Amino acid sequence: TQLLEQSPQFLSIQEGENLTVYCNSSSVFSSLQWYRQEPGEGPVLLVTVVTGGEVKKLKRLTFQFGDARKDSSLHITAAQPGDTGLYLCAGVEGTYKYIFGTGTRLKVLA
Amino acid sequence: NAGVMQNPRHLVRRRGQEARLRCSPMKGHSHVYWYRQLPEEGLKFMVYLQKENIIDESGMPKERFSAEFPKEGPSILRIQQVVRGDSAAYFCASSPDLNTGELFFGEGSRLTVL
Repeated sequence: TQLLEQSPQFLSIQEGENLTVYCNSSSVFSSLQWYRQEPGEGPVLLVTVVTGGEVKKLKRLTFQFGDARKDSSLHITAAQPGDTGLYLCAGVEGTYKYIFGTGTRLKVLA
Repeated sequence: NAGVMQNPRHLVRRRGQEARLRCSPMKGHSHVYWYRQLPEEGLKFMVYLQKENIIDESGMPKERFSAEFPKEGPSILRIQQVVRGDSAAYFCASSPDLNTGELFFGEGSRLTVL
């Protein structure tokens, strides 16, 4: 089973700041997803990236899949308190196995 | 269309008892996953099932844990003779097929073993 390491593990920033979260693996995935999880709830899908080098934007969030499809990043511009949560990357291994990363817990202070 | 329904949301058991966690996938979804999450950690894969079949249980401990997804009714994750180390949040996710890519998660069942 492949492992996905996320960094940083914890991040506390002020409203309006920018941040980047990283998701790294030594192995290749067929696709990679980012989920956000709020306390007491299950994760919710934000985006899926499939092609090496792919960049997707979702309002203030920018997702990038590494050229070699081993790593990914999530950049948030002008963070807001509503962005607070646990961000999880998930690599798809084969056709059905979703391997989740270690998670980045983000707190945005007003 | 109701989302993935898990129950109970919270379950307290004493060491040695059995825990049964239920998951009703979204309507039309025939693929079910179970994940385990410890506080401040990511999700750890346990088992992947399709209707009446266990496809991959490589993440599930060989002893005390079992899962099923019968033709009728919810998927069930069963933990026998629970120990304190089983305390965690157990999440179920479903998907309609292998091509859509998205997992739809329930709100989780939080097991506490006293």
